[in-house]
Amino acid sequence: AQKITQTQPGMFVQEKEAVTLDCTYDTSDPSYGLFWYKQPSSGEMIFLIYQGSYDQQNATEGRYSLNFQKARKSANLVISASQLGDSAMYFCAMRVGGKLIFGQGTELSVKP
Amino acid sequence: GAGVSQTPSNKVTEKGKYVELRCDPISGHTALYWYRQSLGQGPEFLIYFQGTGAADDSGLPNDRFFAVRPEGSVSTLKIQRTERGDSAMYLCASALLSGTGASSGANVLTFGAGSRLTVL
Repeated sequence: AQKITQTQPGMFVQEKEAVTLDCTYDTSDPSYGLFWYKQPSSGEMIFLIYQGSYDQQNATEGRYSLNFQKARKSANLVISASQLGDSAMYFCAMRVGGKLIFGQGTELSVKP
Repeated sequence: GAGVSQTPSNKVTEKGKYVELRCDPISGHTALYWYRQSLGQGPEFLIYFQGTGAADDSGLPNDRFFAVRPEGSVSTLKIQRTERGDSAMYLCASALLSGTGASSGANVLTFGAGSRLTVL
């Protein structure tokens, strides 16, 4: 069975600092995709970054990077130079075939 | 349309009533997903369609929940005999799935704003 685990219910980070949000996954399928979404208090789900299981390099999108460690089955999100607007819920998700499943999320609070 | 549209944005109903939630995906997106999200939790997968057919409905909690997508575009999530435990945000998403390989391109899901269901 596929599973996504986010072990940090809440995280704090100082503005302008970097923060790492943890995500581990479990699947026996060799082909899968890993995603991170942001959900601010307004409720919309915003796509941040994607990593394919066969991708050789870690994905980066602006201030977001995905630390993909395939052997450890982890896909941590790194946010550099945190901003106050980064305060939100962050969800890690995995797609196998067409189905996308989410973790329980990490609430990130950025302090001024 | 430009984005995924969900109606109604809010629905309050009484226990035992029937409810329909509508999702209008991005034009041309072949896949459509339904999720349920309770406060403080991650989205819980319900069902996804590829075209008109349900490709995976393993997340539907029981036979009171049903979803259709008759023409491969708009989808309706139907909940019969609603219960208080059905209260949640119902999220719809669509994607242009190219191939079945999960790593064959990002195939990013774009979400709607959700329909908040409250069962009294």
